Amino acid sequence: AQRVTQPEKLLSVFKGAPVELKCNYSYSGSPELFWYVQYSRQRLQLLLRHISRESIKGFTADLNKGETSFHLKKPFAQEEDSAMYYCALPGTYKYIFGTGTRLKVLA
Amino acid sequence: EAQVTQNPRYLITVTGKKLTVTCSQNMNHEYMSWYRQDPGLGLRQIYYSMNVEVTDKGDVPEGYKVSRKEKRNFPLILESPSPNQTSLYFCASSSGIYYEQYFGPGTRLTVT
Repeated sequence: AQRVTQPEKLLSVFKGAPVELKCNYSYSGSPELFWYVQYSRQRLQLLLRHISRESIKGFTADLNKGETSFHLKKPFAQEEDSAMYYCALPGTYKYIFGTGTRLKVLA
Repeated sequence: EAQVTQNPRYLITVTGKKLTVTCSQNMNHEYMSWYRQDPGLGLRQIYYSMNVEVTDKGDVPEGYKVSRKEKRNFPLILESPSPNQTSLYFCASSSGIYYEQYFGPGTRLTVT
């Protein structure tokens, strides 16, 4: 079955500390994976997708097929990074989101 | 401006009173979806549409209906709302399933 798992509901880090938001997936075939972000009271928006291999707002994510993971990383967290983060996997026709991780960056 | 719009943004209703939440996009996207967002459960897909007149169930379709008569519009219909449908609803559109999804601002629905 196609599935996305985000094991952490809440992740709190101090400003300037490294951040890693975990995402594991279950998918037969070559997956396309996305990270979406939702800032307070705003709509979801794309943060990055693995196929573009871009770094957006200092975030990167590497697809690890061996570990079936697509963890989101940033070397130095900023207060404006506080938000809800969702890992997402397009299936054959359906779109599957993880349960999300709330990131709180403490001053 | 390219965007997805939803109306209404907030709605309080009573059990059993039929309601429709509208969704419209101006990007000529083929793929459109409805999601509900609940604490601890993330986003769950209710229905999706690959193109005009082509719709199918997502993971939580019970109690909902949709239609896609025009490419730009994808309304969500609750024929007989119940309290367990109290949630935050998002409409989204994209060029296809493997492309970036553009989300609407959300509709907060409360059913009493």
